[in-house]
Amino acid sequence: GENVEQHPSTLSVQEGDSAVIKCTYSDSASNYFPWYKQELGKRPQLIIDIRSNVGEKKDQRIAVTLNKTAKHFSLHITETQPEDSAVYFCAAWFSGGYNKLIFGAGTRLAVHP
Amino acid sequence: EAGVAQSPRYKIIEKRQSVAFWCNPISGHATLYWYQQILGQGPKLLIQFQNNGVVDDSQLPKDRFSAERLKGVDSTLKIQPAKLEDSAVYLCASSFKPTEAFFGQGTRLTVV
Repeated sequence: GENVEQHPSTLSVQEGDSAVIKCTYSDSASNYFPWYKQELGKRPQLIIDIRSNVGEKKDQRIAVTLNKTAKHFSLHITETQPEDSAVYFCAAWFSGGYNKLIFGAGTRLAVHP
Repeated sequence: EAGVAQSPRYKIIEKRQSVAFWCNPISGHATLYWYQQILGQGPKLLIQFQNNGVVDDSQLPKDRFSAERLKGVDSTLKIQPAKLEDSAVYLCASSFKPTEAFFGQGTRLTVV
């Protein structure tokens, strides 16, 4: 079945350090991988995404990489700031007649001043 | 552009009671999703509608959960009877394009 695995479940870094979150997906036919940030009590917010025709995408301090062969994708946050503290979810769109969005279990990131 | 509207925002009920949540998607969005997010977990897809038809309800506990989408617009999700483990945030999302999802603010359900 469709599955997205995410690691680590918690991540604690010092302000200014980098943070990396890794995900794997089950269906090699998936071709679109969004990342969401969720602050306490709020809805998931799309922060960046990557499609299978590219290997890396960058937006200021955030970058995502995709290895389709290994079915891995990762989120990299550089120069972390306290406001980056939140829960981050990777997700994958699975297709099979209709498109279905499946989330990973989430990574709670804490950035300490 | 108005976003996905959900109500109520919060609900507290006793176990074995019934509850209903309402979702109004963005105008023109044919696809509507209901997700359950238990504290500390990722959102889990419960049911997906394309217009007023169900395309996926494989993760919906059909013995107690039901959902409908009348006229392909608004949707309601019902739980009857509720269990303690149903305590969660219920997120509604809608989309126009195949790989997009706009989320509502969610309904936080507490079952006591």
